[in-house]
Amino acid sequence: QQQVKQSPQSLIVQKGGISIINCAYENTAFDYFPWYQQFPGKGPALLIAIRPDVSEKKEGRFTISFNKSAKQFSLHIMDSQPGDSATYFCAANPMTTDSWGKFQFGAGTQVVVTP
Amino acid sequence: KAGVTQTPRYLIKTRGQQVTLSCSPISGHRSVSWYQQTPGQGLQFLFEYFSETQRNKGNFPGRFSGRQFSNSRSEMNVSTLELGDSALYLCASSPGTGGYEQYFGPGTRLTVT
Repeated sequence: QQQVKQSPQSLIVQKGGISIINCAYENTAFDYFPWYQQFPGKGPALLIAIRPDVSEKKEGRFTISFNKSAKQFSLHIMDSQPGDSATYFCAANPMTTDSWGKFQFGAGTQVVVTP
Repeated sequence: KAGVTQTPRYLIKTRGQQVTLSCSPISGHRSVSWYQQTPGQGLQFLFEYFSETQRNKGNFPGRFSGRQFSNSRSEMNVSTLELGDSALYLCASSPGTGGYEQYFGPGTRLTVT
């Protein structure tokens, strides 16, 4: 069963708009939550990551919001550009020795930014 | 620093054959993880190696195996290939201790006919 549930499956946003992707999890042992961006034919690229001790992290146009009590986290892409058109994955891991490297990934969200 | 490299980038094999994929992690990284990516199942964890030892394993059959060398380079082997093994195989490296970040290579696209 999918331990990290991601929505929506796809979204279309106009250039300059805000893209919002949501993820929910059940395992309260998860301790590290990265987001990845993947272009066709390429491997996923680490975008931004957060740990549960902060509620928000911003890097450039990308922001992660984290709600520990709701067990949810989201990625906001501000001022979306056509170059942001890609598939985005959320992930989670307890970051213990017996789980190292064993990330649980969401199903992915295909984002299309129209000119 | 150079990124994660994977060879070959593309492979076409016949059902029943075996295949070996190679991954060179980022310099200084000691942990290498392997994932299978398919349109239907998404990204699924295969196994993780640290200092030449398999630390963690996903839910894949024994036909999937791997190893890591003393220079942290890793290989993954799939024996008796099945049509369903067609996928993008991704390698990811991380420091293994301390740093949490995991960086992916470009992947090897395996097609089984």
